[in-house]
Amino acid sequence: DQQVKQNSPSLSVQEGRISILNCDYTNSMFDYFLWYKKYPAEGPTFLISISSIKDKNEDGRFTVFLNKSAKHLSLHIVPSQPGDSAVYFCAAGTQTLTGGGNKLTFGTGTQLKVEL
Amino acid sequence: DTEVTQTPKHLVMGMTNKKSLKCEQHMGHRAMYWYKQKAKKPPELMFVYSYEKLSINESVPSRFSPECPNSSLLNLHLHALQPEDSALYLCASSQKVGGADTQYFGPGTRLTVL
Repeated sequence: DQQVKQNSPSLSVQEGRISILNCDYTNSMFDYFLWYKKYPAEGPTFLISISSIKDKNEDGRFTVFLNKSAKHLSLHIVPSQPGDSAVYFCAAGTQTLTGGGNKLTFGTGTQLKVEL
Repeated sequence: DTEVTQTPKHLVMGMTNKKSLKCEQHMGHRAMYWYKQKAKKPPELMFVYSYEKLSINESVPSRFSPECPNSSLLNLHLHALQPEDSALYLCASSQKVGGADTQYFGPGTRLTVL
């Protein structure tokens, strides 16, 4: 059962335009969400996170929006740059779990290509 | 500084070999993780160490043996692997032990099992 889904395996955007990457989740216990960017043969790089007490978090060119009622989050990148071309994973976790270390559930990823 | 380092970067081993992957972080993080990632798939959690103790084992075969010698180091010992174990092995760390927290990943070790 895929609890975190990224339904678009790929997205192509022109340089300077907005990139919007989407993520849906089914587990209502998730209350902390993250976006990671990954280049081939490298580890994921943390981009931005959001807690369920917020509906928006912004960091430079990156903004994450959370719609709890729809169990949907999105990452907006404005303006898009060629160096943004990578695979983007959303991940979700539960802040209220105690002990034992924390587990993140990752989506399947979206390949973003920013074209000149 | 959010750096997690991993060695080696690449590893090729036969099915009868014994090898180890190493991971190090100096951020004072108290939780460390091993993930396995196959091509075009998300990272798949293998083990979690909390305060240097194994807290989660995601039913990983015993041919993978984790070890946490101290709060900064995490090893993954490999023995009698199968070709299907070829993958990118990622180490991560996080400050918090319980609940969700940002995990910071290392660059990974690309493992090929012949």
